[in-house]
Amino acid sequence: AQSVAQPEDQVNVAEGNPLTVKCTYSVSGNPYLFWYVQYPNRGLQFLLKYITGDNLVKGSYGFEAEFNKSQTSFHLKKPSALVSDSALYFCAASYNTDKLIFGTGTRLQVFP
Amino acid sequence: DVKVTQSSRYLVKRTGEKVFLECVQDMDHENMFWYRQDPGLGLRLIYFSYDVKMKEKGDIPEGYSVSREKKERFSLILESASTNQTSMYLCASSLSGQIYEQYFGPGTRLTVT
Repeated sequence: AQSVAQPEDQVNVAEGNPLTVKCTYSVSGNPYLFWYVQYPNRGLQFLLKYITGDNLVKGSYGFEAEFNKSQTSFHLKKPSALVSDSALYFCAASYNTDKLIFGTGTRLQVFP
Repeated sequence: DVKVTQSSRYLVKRTGEKVFLECVQDMDHENMFWYRQDPGLGLRLIYFSYDVKMKEKGDIPEGYSVSREKKERFSLILESASTNQTSMYLCASSLSGQIYEQYFGPGTRLTVT
């Protein structure tokens, strides 16, 4: 079955340190991959997507994500975390359809 | 900028009531979606519409119905609200094609008592 996994419920990082939020996807065709962010009491905002080409994708607010086909992963990264990056992050995939399959979300806490 | 609006941010209804959640998008998107978001479960698709009057069931359609009479408007209907439908409901829209990202509304937090 097609699925997206975010193995960490929460990630804690100190401000200024690099951050990584992990995502893996099931191998069933070649999905397109997305990251979204949700701030408190808000809807989801699109951050970036991988369609094809360069494995390192750059997105909004200084975020980037690395596509790794052999490990079926699409981890979200940022070189230097900000307190304002604290939010809920969702990874999602589309498998030959316009519908998205979402992971369960990872809460990122950035401490001053 | 794409704008997706939802009729209410917070809603409190009683068990057995019929509930209407409205969503409007202003970017002429073909696709519209309704999700519910629950802690630890992520987003689960309730219904998807790919054109006016066209709809497709998602993962959890039971207890819900939808209506899309105009391209910009997608309504979610809870025929007889139950306490297990207390949740955050998110509407989204996108262009047709799997490469396109979805744009989300601010959400409606529904409480059924």
